[in-house]
Amino acid sequence: ETGVTQTPRHLVMGMTNKKSLKCEQHLGHNAMYWYKQSAKKPLELMFVYNFKEQTENNSVPSRFSPECPNSSHLFLHLHTLQPEDSALYLCASSHEYRGLDGYTFGSGTRLTVV
Amino acid sequence: EDKVVQSPLSLVVHEGDTVTLNCSYEVTNFRSLLWYKQEKKAPTFLFMLTSSGIEKKSGRLSSILDKKELSSILNITATQTGDSAIYLCAVEAEEASYGKLTFGQGTILTVHP
Repeated sequence: ETGVTQTPRHLVMGMTNKKSLKCEQHLGHNAMYWYKQSAKKPLELMFVYNFKEQTENNSVPSRFSPECPNSSHLFLHLHTLQPEDSALYLCASSHEYRGLDGYTFGSGTRLTVV
Repeated sequence: EDKVVQSPLSLVVHEGDTVTLNCSYEVTNFRSLLWYKQEKKAPTFLFMLTSSGIEKKSGRLSSILDKKELSSILNITATQTGDSAIYLCAVEAEEASYGKLTFGQGTILTVHP
C-alpha cells in the first residue's frame, strides 16, 4: 500500500447509473488529485484540490463531479457516463512543498461503463 | 500546451542487460521532472529531478536531467524480471496556484529471464 487508498478497486456501471469513487490518504498531504488513465494514452490530470479548494479543472465533462470534504478525502461522483469513460482512475496526493517525495498515487479504480 | 514524449514506447531485453529510457518535454514554467514505475496499478515514485547534470541513483536505477536539451534519461543496469513494468515520465509545471503533472505515454519494459 502506498498510503493512498482508493475504493472500489473495480466498478462496472451502466450509462444511467450514479456511482462514486473514493480516495483517502493519511500521509499528511494537503493536495489531492484525480487522474484518468485510458488504454494507450498518457495519464491525464482531471482535478486538483489544494487545502480542500479546487484549483484545477482540466476541461472535464460535468458528468464527473469531484468533492473534497477535507484534506484527507477526495471523491469523484459519476453520472450518465459514456463507454469511452471506461479507464483506470487514479488518485494522488502531495505536500504543498513536495521536496523529494513527489506525488503518491493510489492503486486506482478500474471503471467499466456498459 | 505542455507535452512529454517518451521513447522507446516498448522495449524487450534479457536479464542482465542495461537499458536507457528517454524522456523529452516542452513545458511552460518547468519546475521538476519525475519518473514513476507502474507495475499493476499504482505508479510508484522513483526520482524527482530539478537540477541539470546531477545524477540521482537508487540501486541499479539512475537518472539525470538535461535542461538545455529539455530531456532526461533513466538507466537500469543488470536488469531483472522484476524490472518489467511501464516507466512513466512526468513534468511538473509551476502554476500560479499550484503544480500539476503532465505525463508521457510511458515505456513498456519487458525483461525476459
